[in-house]
Amino acid sequence: DGGITQSPKYLFRKEGQNVTLSCEQNLNHDAMYWYRQDPGQGLRLIYYSQIVNDFQKGDIAEGYSVSREKKESFPLTVTSAQKNPTAFYLCASRVLLNEKLFFGSGTQLSVL
Amino acid sequence: GEDVEQSLFLSVREGDSSVINCTYTDSSSTYLYWYKQEPGAGLQLLTYIFSNMDMKQDQRLTVLLNKKDKHLSLRIADTQTGDSAIYFCAEASPVGKLIFGQGTTLQVKP
Repeated sequence: DGGITQSPKYLFRKEGQNVTLSCEQNLNHDAMYWYRQDPGQGLRLIYYSQIVNDFQKGDIAEGYSVSREKKESFPLTVTSAQKNPTAFYLCASRVLLNEKLFFGSGTQLSVL
Repeated sequence: GEDVEQSLFLSVREGDSSVINCTYTDSSSTYLYWYKQEPGAGLQLLTYIFSNMDMKQDQRLTVLLNKKDKHLSLRIADTQTGDSAIYFCAEASPVGKLIFGQGTTLQVKP
């Protein structure tokens, strides 16, 4: 089945720890995105990448890092500099000339 | 700047029609979208409308676009309990990223 796979579904972070959220797609989509969702709020863009080995900051990039070494993969690292990391993280992808965005099922990150 | 606004909550009875409203600010948006999110899940693309259209119908869903007022609505006919979810509208910015509203929680009472 084609789709976007996020793992793990639930993740816990200790103080001062970096954690990495995985996002893999087998849709041959060019662009990939990371959004953060907090309760009662819309989605806020963290980082996006339109091509391999290139990515841009979104609206709330501080405390996060990404890489795009392969077209299929766009992992997000939540660093210890992100002081309020508890949120639902959504990965999405699309074909560049088609603006429809498709989402993974999300990762819930909580702080211990 | 770019901004999308939605009301936060809507409650309807099963079988009634639901209308979820959205306003946006970027008049250069080419597409506007409606997504559905069920608890603990990702977002599912429900429907979309191209900016040169006024209306789009897809089974029980009707999207109306008023470009002059920058107003978008989603009507769900014969609302069912399975339609209970959060509905997000989104506009596509010129650089291709989507700007989302806060989401409208639709509660369907039996």
